[in-house]
Amino acid sequence: EAQVTQNPRYLITVTGKKLTVTCSQNMNHEYMSWYRQDPGLGLRQIYYSMNVEVTDKGDVPEGYKVSRKEKRNFPLILESPSPNQTSLYFCASSSGTGVRLEQFFGPGTRLTVL
Amino acid sequence: AQSVSQHNHHVILSEAASLELGCNYSYGGTVNLFWYVQYPGQHLQLLLKYFSGDPLVKGIKGFEAEFIKSKFSFNLRKPSVQWSDTAEYFCAVPSYNTDKLIFGTGTRLQVFP
Repeated sequence: EAQVTQNPRYLITVTGKKLTVTCSQNMNHEYMSWYRQDPGLGLRQIYYSMNVEVTDKGDVPEGYKVSRKEKRNFPLILESPSPNQTSLYFCASSSGTGVRLEQFFGPGTRLTVL
Repeated sequence: AQSVSQHNHHVILSEAASLELGCNYSYGGTVNLFWYVQYPGQHLQLLLKYFSGDPLVKGIKGFEAEFIKSKFSFNLRKPSVQWSDTAEYFCAVPSYNTDKLIFGTGTRLQVFP
């Protein structure tokens, strides 16, 4: 089944404790992206990747890192999480030129930073 | 900066009522337009999309949207909503000069039986 998977689905952590949210897709998509969803703000793009070893900042990249060492994986790293990073995070992927085509979203990761 | 506006933040309807959700975008060039839906507790999924051609686009579950270039709009419509349409709806447009997708702030739709 074609899908985007994220782990963990729920995470409660404390300020400053490094964490990684994994994202994997099995559709051989070149484009992958991370979004955060906050009430009243909709979805905002954190980082995106056009292909392996190619990443770029979205609209809200501060406090986040990403890597794209393999085509299928696009982990989101929070080196020193803070409470303002409490949010619902979605990974997405699409083929070809990315944003011009349908994006397939993962199930989301709800992160709480205390 | 390029933007997408959804003016209806929260819409409450009874079943069988007609629905229209507004979406306006700021860029006047060639656009691709999307509506995504997020059912409670679920991830976003594509409802419909416009790339070119017929400005009236039909999507899944009886939804449709009309691209009106002169008004920079891509409003979502459904003639008769059902309780199962309760969800959050997002309009989105690709950035014209970067590889980013820009989302509106979303419209929360509640349909009561």
